[in-house]
Amino acid sequence: QVQLVESGGGVVQPGRSLTVSCAASGFTFSDYNMHWVRQAPGKGLEWVALIWYHGRETFYADSVKGRFTISRDNSKHTLYLHMHSLRAEDTAVYYCATEYSYGSGSKPFDIWGQGTMVTVSS
Amino acid sequence: QAGLTQPPSVSKGLRQTATLTCTGNNNNVGNQGAAWLQQHQGHPPKVLSYRNNNRPSEISERFSASRSGNTASLTITGLQPEDEADYYCSAWDSSLSAWVFGGGTKLTVL
Repeated sequence: QVQLVESGGGVVQPGRSLTVSCAASGFTFSDYNMHWVRQAPGKGLEWVALIWYHGRETFYADSVKGRFTISRDNSKHTLYLHMHSLRAEDTAVYYCATEYSYGSGSKPFDIWGQGTMVTVSS
Repeated sequence: QAGLTQPPSVSKGLRQTATLTCTGNNNNVGNQGAAWLQQHQGHPPKVLSYRNNNRPSEISERFSASRSGNTASLTITGLQPEDEADYYCSAWDSSLSAWVFGGGTKLTVL
């Protein structure tokens, strides 16, 4: 079945790095743009980053620009978020989500994973 | 990054109609419309409507989206207890080259 499974979350000290992953199955991963969206405890959704289906274009929220890098390996059906210089305010559940683009439109945030928790604390 | 503006909370009675709003600007909602998502406590979000106001096939016809200028709306008819959730709008902002979310509206079904 169609599925996204995030992994790699955990507790990390401020200033350190962490990479979270998102494994896709049940659909043609290489046809989809992919997002990372995060949600701090008790807070709303915050968009983090987007990578196009071919991997050659990426976009970032100002809050993570220069610290986070989104990447993908279509041969492994896997999306990544490499997080550096982590701060307490990066503490959140990190979700991956799909976006299917077609012609003049798209279907954003169609499929979601269950999320992986990242806690930045000393 | 400036987000979209949603009322923090809306309360309506069972079987009534709720209309949730999402206000942006010419670069986001006014340009390409907004997507709507529903999130129940402890679960990932679920998309209710894409930016062209079309619903995924599995979403009930009780949910309908529309847009007027820079404001997007989600109308939920015949409110049911299971509609009690947080609702978010999101749009691509062409000036920021980024997606933006609203702060979310907590819908309470009385």
